[in-house]
Amino acid sequence: QQQVKQSPQSLIVQKGGISIINCAYENTAFDYFPWYQQFPGKGPALLIAIRPDVSEKKEGRFTISFNKSAKQFSLHIMDSQPGDSATYFCAASSLGGSARQLTFGSGTQLTVLP
Amino acid sequence: DSGVTQTPKHLITATGQRVTLRCSPRSGDLSVYWYQQSLDQGLQFLIQYYNGEERAKGNILERFSAQQFPDLHSELNLSSLELGDSALYFCASSVGLGAGNTIYFGEGSWLTVV
Repeated sequence: QQQVKQSPQSLIVQKGGISIINCAYENTAFDYFPWYQQFPGKGPALLIAIRPDVSEKKEGRFTISFNKSAKQFSLHIMDSQPGDSATYFCAASSLGGSARQLTFGSGTQLTVLP
Repeated sequence: DSGVTQTPKHLITATGQRVTLRCSPRSGDLSVYWYQQSLDQGLQFLIQYYNGEERAKGNILERFSAQQFPDLHSELNLSSLELGDSALYFCASSVGLGAGNTIYFGEGSWLTVV
Protein backbone atom coordinates (compact mmCIF):
# COMPACT_ATOMS: atom_id res chain seq x y z
CA GLN A 1 0.00 0.00 0.00
CA GLN A 2 1.29 3.40 -0.92
CA GLN A 3 1.99 5.44 2.20
CA VAL A 4 3.66 8.68 3.08
CA LYS A 5 4.54 9.11 6.75
CA GLN A 6 4.79 12.65 8.04
CA SER A 7 6.14 14.06 11.29
CA PRO A 8 5.70 15.86 13.55
CA GLN A 9 1.94 16.10 13.89
CA SER A 10 2.25 19.60 15.31
CA LEU A 11 5.06 22.12 15.55
CA ILE A 12 5.42 25.37 17.44
CA VAL A 13 8.18 27.74 16.38
CA GLN A 14 9.15 31.23 17.40
CA LYS A 15 9.06 33.97 14.81
CA GLY A 16 12.33 33.99 12.90
CA GLY A 17 13.05 30.36 13.68
CA ILE A 18 13.39 27.40 11.34
CA SER A 19 10.49 25.01 10.89
CA ILE A 20 11.33 21.48 9.76
CA ILE A 21 8.79 18.89 8.69
CA ASN A 22 9.82 15.41 7.66
CA CYS A 23 8.29 12.79 5.43
CA ALA A 24 9.20 9.24 4.48
CA TYR A 25 7.89 7.01 1.75
CA GLU A 26 8.18 3.40 0.69
CA ASN A 27 7.08 3.23 -2.92
CA THR A 28 10.07 3.78 -5.20
CA ALA A 29 7.67 4.46 -8.09
CA PHE A 30 6.92 7.90 -6.68
CA ASP A 31 8.33 10.47 -9.08
CA TYR A 32 7.06 13.78 -7.80
CA PHE A 33 7.00 15.15 -4.27
CA PRO A 34 4.95 18.28 -3.62
CA TRP A 35 4.27 20.10 -0.40
CA TYR A 36 0.89 21.68 0.16
CA GLN A 37 -0.08 24.44 2.57
CA GLN A 38 -3.59 24.62 3.91
CA PHE A 39 -5.16 27.46 5.86
CA PRO A 40 -8.36 26.90 7.87
CA GLY A 41 -11.40 26.83 5.63
CA LYS A 42 -9.34 26.69 2.45
CA GLY A 43 -8.19 24.02 0.11
CA PRO A 44 -4.58 22.81 0.04
CA ALA A 45 -2.37 24.99 -2.13
CA LEU A 46 0.87 23.88 -3.74
CA LEU A 47 3.84 25.40 -1.94
CA ILE A 48 6.87 23.79 -3.52
CA ALA A 49 7.67 20.51 -5.23
CA ILE A 50 10.68 18.40 -6.15
CA ARG A 51 11.51 15.50 -8.43
CA PRO A 52 13.73 12.62 -7.24
CA ASP A 53 16.63 13.55 -9.51
CA VAL A 54 17.27 16.68 -7.45
CA SER A 55 18.52 16.69 -3.85
CA GLU A 56 17.38 20.17 -2.91
CA LYS A 57 15.07 22.87 -4.18
CA LYS A 58 14.71 26.33 -2.75
CA GLU A 59 12.01 28.90 -3.31
CA GLY A 60 12.31 31.94 -1.15
CA ARG A 61 12.18 30.90 2.49
CA PHE A 62 11.03 27.38 1.63
CA THR A 63 13.44 24.54 0.88
CA ILE A 64 12.84 20.88 0.13
CA SER A 65 15.64 18.48 0.93
CA PHE A 66 15.37 15.10 -0.75
CA ASN A 67 17.26 11.92 0.13
CA LYS A 68 16.47 9.29 -2.47
CA SER A 69 18.47 6.47 -0.88
CA ALA A 70 16.78 6.97 2.48
CA LYS A 71 13.40 7.60 0.82
CA GLN A 72 12.93 10.71 2.90
CA PHE A 73 12.23 14.34 2.16
CA SER A 74 11.73 17.37 4.32
CA LEU A 75 10.45 20.91 4.20
CA HIS A 76 12.47 23.67 5.81
CA ILE A 77 10.88 27.05 6.42
CA MET A 78 13.52 29.64 7.17
CA ASP A 79 12.76 32.83 9.12
CA SER A 80 9.32 31.47 10.01
CA GLN A 81 6.58 34.09 10.24
CA PRO A 82 3.19 34.10 12.00
CA GLY A 83 1.59 34.15 8.55
CA ASP A 84 3.16 30.74 7.91
CA SER A 85 0.90 29.24 10.59
CA ALA A 86 -1.04 26.61 8.68
CA THR A 87 -1.24 22.89 8.12
CA TYR A 88 1.41 21.47 5.84
CA PHE A 89 1.02 18.27 3.90
CA CYS A 90 3.74 16.39 2.12
CA ALA A 91 2.64 14.26 -0.76
CA ALA A 92 4.00 11.86 -3.30
CA SER A 93 2.79 11.13 -6.76
CA SER A 94 3.21 8.29 -9.18
CA LEU A 95 1.87 7.34 -12.56
CA GLY A 96 0.23 3.98 -12.14
CA GLY A 97 -1.25 2.52 -15.29
CA SER A 98 -3.25 5.32 -16.84
CA ALA A 99 -3.73 7.37 -13.72
CA ARG A 100 -1.64 9.70 -11.62
CA GLN A 101 -2.37 9.51 -7.94
CA LEU A 102 -1.33 11.88 -5.19
CA THR A 103 -0.85 10.32 -1.77
CA PHE A 104 -0.77 12.69 1.19
CA GLY A 105 0.97 12.56 4.52
CA SER A 106 -1.11 13.06 7.63
CA GLY A 107 -0.29 16.75 7.94
CA THR A 108 1.64 18.98 10.33
CA GLN A 109 -0.04 21.86 12.08
CA LEU A 110 2.52 24.65 12.29
CA THR A 111 2.12 27.52 14.72
CA VAL A 112 4.58 30.39 14.54
CA LEU A 113 4.51 32.52 17.66
CA PRO A 114 4.96 36.29 17.27
CA ASP B 1 -7.87 31.51 -6.07
CA SER B 2 -6.92 28.15 -7.58
CA GLY B 3 -9.45 28.37 -10.39
CA VAL B 4 -11.22 25.20 -9.24
CA THR B 5 -14.82 25.97 -8.32
CA GLN B 6 -16.87 23.83 -5.98
CA THR B 7 -20.52 24.11 -5.03
CA PRO B 8 -22.12 24.14 -2.59
CA LYS B 9 -19.65 25.44 -0.03
CA HIS B 10 -21.70 24.17 2.88
CA LEU B 11 -24.39 21.54 3.05
CA ILE B 12 -26.36 20.13 5.96
CA THR B 13 -28.49 17.08 5.36
CA ALA B 14 -30.06 14.22 7.26
CA THR B 15 -28.94 10.62 7.45
CA GLY B 16 -30.21 8.48 4.62
CA GLN B 17 -30.37 11.38 2.18
CA ARG B 18 -28.52 11.87 -1.10
CA VAL B 19 -26.47 14.89 -2.11
CA THR B 20 -24.54 15.98 -5.17
CA LEU B 21 -21.36 18.00 -5.03
CA ARG B 22 -20.30 19.87 -8.13
CA CYS B 23 -16.86 20.82 -9.40
CA SER B 24 -15.66 22.96 -12.27
CA PRO B 25 -11.97 22.38 -12.98
CA ARG B 26 -9.48 25.04 -14.00
CA SER B 27 -9.80 26.09 -17.59
CA GLY B 28 -7.86 23.65 -19.73
CA ASP B 29 -7.48 20.98 -17.06
CA LEU B 30 -8.57 17.54 -18.20
CA SER B 31 -8.08 15.62 -15.00
CA VAL B 32 -10.38 15.88 -11.99
CA TYR B 33 -9.80 14.36 -8.59
CA TRP B 34 -12.03 14.04 -5.55
CA TYR B 35 -10.66 13.91 -2.03
CA GLN B 36 -12.29 13.57 1.36
CA GLN B 37 -10.78 15.31 4.37
CA SER B 38 -11.76 14.39 7.90
CA LEU B 39 -10.05 14.89 11.23
CA ASP B 40 -9.32 11.23 11.77
CA GLN B 41 -8.56 10.14 8.18
CA GLY B 42 -6.73 13.12 6.78
CA LEU B 43 -6.84 13.69 3.03
CA GLN B 44 -8.13 10.56 1.36
CA PHE B 45 -8.18 10.08 -2.39
CA LEU B 46 -11.59 9.02 -3.66
CA ILE B 47 -11.59 8.95 -7.44
CA GLN B 48 -9.98 10.43 -10.54
CA TYR B 49 -11.32 11.20 -13.99
CA TYR B 50 -9.40 12.17 -17.07
CA ASN B 51 -11.19 13.66 -20.04
CA GLY B 52 -14.44 11.98 -19.07
CA GLU B 53 -13.03 8.58 -18.23
CA GLU B 54 -12.60 7.12 -14.79
CA ARG B 55 -8.89 6.50 -14.28
CA ALA B 56 -8.40 5.56 -10.65
CA LYS B 57 -10.40 4.69 -7.59
CA GLY B 58 -9.24 5.14 -4.05
CA ASN B 59 -11.10 4.75 -0.80
CA ILE B 60 -14.49 5.51 -2.28
CA LEU B 61 -17.51 3.84 -0.74
CA GLU B 62 -20.01 1.99 -2.91
CA ARG B 63 -22.63 4.52 -1.76
CA PHE B 64 -20.59 7.21 -3.51
CA SER B 65 -20.28 7.70 -7.24
CA ALA B 66 -18.88 10.33 -9.53
CA GLN B 67 -18.76 11.30 -13.15
CA GLN B 68 -17.06 13.79 -15.41
CA PHE B 69 -19.18 15.36 -18.10
CA PRO B 70 -18.20 16.33 -21.68
CA ASP B 71 -17.67 19.93 -20.56
CA LEU B 72 -15.20 18.49 -18.02
CA HIS B 73 -17.11 19.48 -14.92
CA SER B 74 -17.56 16.71 -12.39
CA GLU B 75 -20.12 15.67 -9.84
CA LEU B 76 -19.72 13.53 -6.74
CA ASN B 77 -22.89 11.81 -5.63
CA LEU B 78 -23.18 10.68 -2.03
CA SER B 79 -26.17 8.52 -1.14
CA SER B 80 -27.61 6.82 1.95
CA LEU B 81 -25.65 9.30 3.98
CA GLU B 82 -24.35 8.38 7.39
CA LEU B 83 -23.07 10.54 10.23
CA GLY B 84 -19.55 9.40 9.43
CA ASP B 85 -19.76 10.89 5.96
CA SER B 86 -19.56 14.36 7.48
CA ALA B 87 -16.35 15.78 6.07
CA LEU B 88 -14.81 18.32 3.77
CA TYR B 89 -14.87 17.15 0.18
CA PHE B 90 -12.30 18.60 -2.18
CA CYS B 91 -12.21 18.61 -5.90
CA ALA B 92 -8.88 19.13 -7.61
CA SER B 93 -7.75 19.36 -11.19
CA SER B 94 -4.64 19.17 -13.31
CA VAL B 95 -3.78 19.59 -16.95
CA GLY B 96 -2.60 16.07 -17.48
CA LEU B 97 -1.02 13.07 -15.85
CA GLY B 98 2.67 13.81 -16.16
CA ALA B 99 4.95 14.28 -13.18
CA GLY B 100 5.08 17.91 -12.29
CA ASN B 101 1.54 18.61 -13.44
CA THR B 102 0.40 20.69 -10.53
CA ILE B 103 -2.79 19.51 -8.92
CA TYR B 104 -4.91 22.49 -7.89
CA PHE B 105 -7.52 22.18 -5.17
CA GLY B 106 -10.82 23.94 -4.79
CA GLU B 107 -11.95 25.35 -1.46
CA GLY B 108 -14.06 22.33 -0.70
CA SER B 109 -17.63 21.48 0.13
CA TRP B 110 -18.41 21.11 3.81
CA LEU B 111 -20.90 18.30 4.30
CA THR B 112 -22.59 17.86 7.64
CA VAL B 113 -24.86 14.87 8.10
CA VAL B 114 -27.21 15.14 11.06
